[in-house]
Amino acid sequence: TQLLEQSPQFLSIQEGENLTVYCNSSSVFSSLQWYRQEPGEGPVLLVTVVTGGEVKKLKRLTFQFGDARKDSSLHITAAQPGDTGLYLCAGAEEFRGNQFYFGTGTSLTVIP
Amino acid sequence: NAGVTQTPKFQVLKTGQSMTLQCAQDMNHNSMYWYRQDPGMGLRLIYYSASEGTTDKGEVPNGYNVSRLNKREFSLRLESAAPSQTSVYFCASLRGTRITNEQFFGPGTRLTVL
Repeated sequence: TQLLEQSPQFLSIQEGENLTVYCNSSSVFSSLQWYRQEPGEGPVLLVTVVTGGEVKKLKRLTFQFGDARKDSSLHITAAQPGDTGLYLCAGAEEFRGNQFYFGTGTSLTVIP
Repeated sequence: NAGVTQTPKFQVLKTGQSMTLQCAQDMNHNSMYWYRQDPGMGLRLIYYSASEGTTDKGEVPNGYNVSRLNKREFSLRLESAAPSQTSVYFCASLRGTRITNEQFFGPGTRLTVL
């Protein structure tokens, strides 16, 4: 059983469309990260959210941490082919030391 | 600055063989991690080391052992490889605290066990 569930698992959209990826859990996290992974490479950090209700923007990407710190979302505006990749959320569970849990991943393909 | 390096990049083993995956970081980070990545499963934590001299089990430690040789190096050993251990293995190191954190990942080791 995955501690963090992501949806959708696969997403294929046309360039210029908007999309939202969800990361959900029944556990409370002290922080939550979003990573992007290219084929054949390791994940690279996009953002960390720490405070419940926090919203962070990174150009066309908007990240939100749920009020209860159990869920998060990633919204991409006007997707571009360069956004193609595997998006992973990861969380540090409260009171569980330095252990991090990763979501199941969302594979995004943006078609030109 | 090489970041996190892993060797080898590819490996094919027969069932029952042993091998050690090497990982090193040059960023002076205290915490290091070993993950495996399987299709549809994201990354799952095998073992981690919060500091030199300490190691702890993660979600899927069975069949693996680790050694934190010094602050830079964290190795993962498969004593008797099984086909279920076919996966991509990533090593990572952690910058910052558990709250304001960023994991830096190596390029991965693609392991096939026949």
